[in-house]
Amino acid sequence: EVQLVESGGGLIQPGESLRLSCAASGFSVGTKYMIWVRQAPGKGLEWVSILYAGGTTDYADSVKGRFTISRDNSKNTLYLQMNRLAVEDTAVYYCARGGDVHNFDCWGPGTLVTVSS
Amino acid sequence: QSALTQPRSVSGSPGQSVTISCTGTSSDVGGWNYVSWYQQHPGKAPKLMIYAVNKRSSGVPDGFSGSKSGNTASLTISGLQAEHEADYYCCSYAGGYTYVFGTGTRVTVL
Repeated sequence: EVQLVESGGGLIQPGESLRLSCAASGFSVGTKYMIWVRQAPGKGLEWVSILYAGGTTDYADSVKGRFTISRDNSKNTLYLQMNRLAVEDTAVYYCARGGDVHNFDCWGPGTLVTVSS
Repeated sequence: QSALTQPRSVSGSPGQSVTISCTGTSSDVGGWNYVSWYQQHPGKAPKLMIYAVNKRSSGVPDGFSGSKSGNTASLTISGLQAEHEADYYCCSYAGGYTYVFGTGTRVTVL
């Protein structure tokens, strides 16, 4: 069964850093493109970052230069390193697997990141 | 990277049909046949319903259908049921390596 489980969220102060993890099972993260999506409380979905199987990455303008996506194939885990966090980064962060045709066919349950002083 | 525009809410009675629009630009919705739709129940993760404009994901009932005309994509739910009450988001490939989601639509079953 294909499954994704995020972890690493929590309460953090503005300006600090946090690393989210997304453990995969049922497939290899290194063979699919993977994304991070976030959802601020009561708001819509926002695409955050993508990591292609070949290693290419990209980021939303709102996080470019602060967030870094990566993976560890040996641990079958996707990561999101978040630096210089701001209050507006408060959200549930989801990881998702890329499907065959520019879609996201499997999502984790999400992990909540709260940035507050 | 502006969000695609969706109506804030739509509603219908059981058995009726509702249609949700998703308006973008020629750089996203209008430029590619890569619009997908996601259903999200409160407190849950999104679920893929439609991809590549009009293809149903595995296990999605045929009451869900997608289409596109120009810069606007649409999701139609036919035979509305109580369990269809949820938030729905469109998403489009926007070229390069980027994607953009819609603002989201709350579907209410009256």
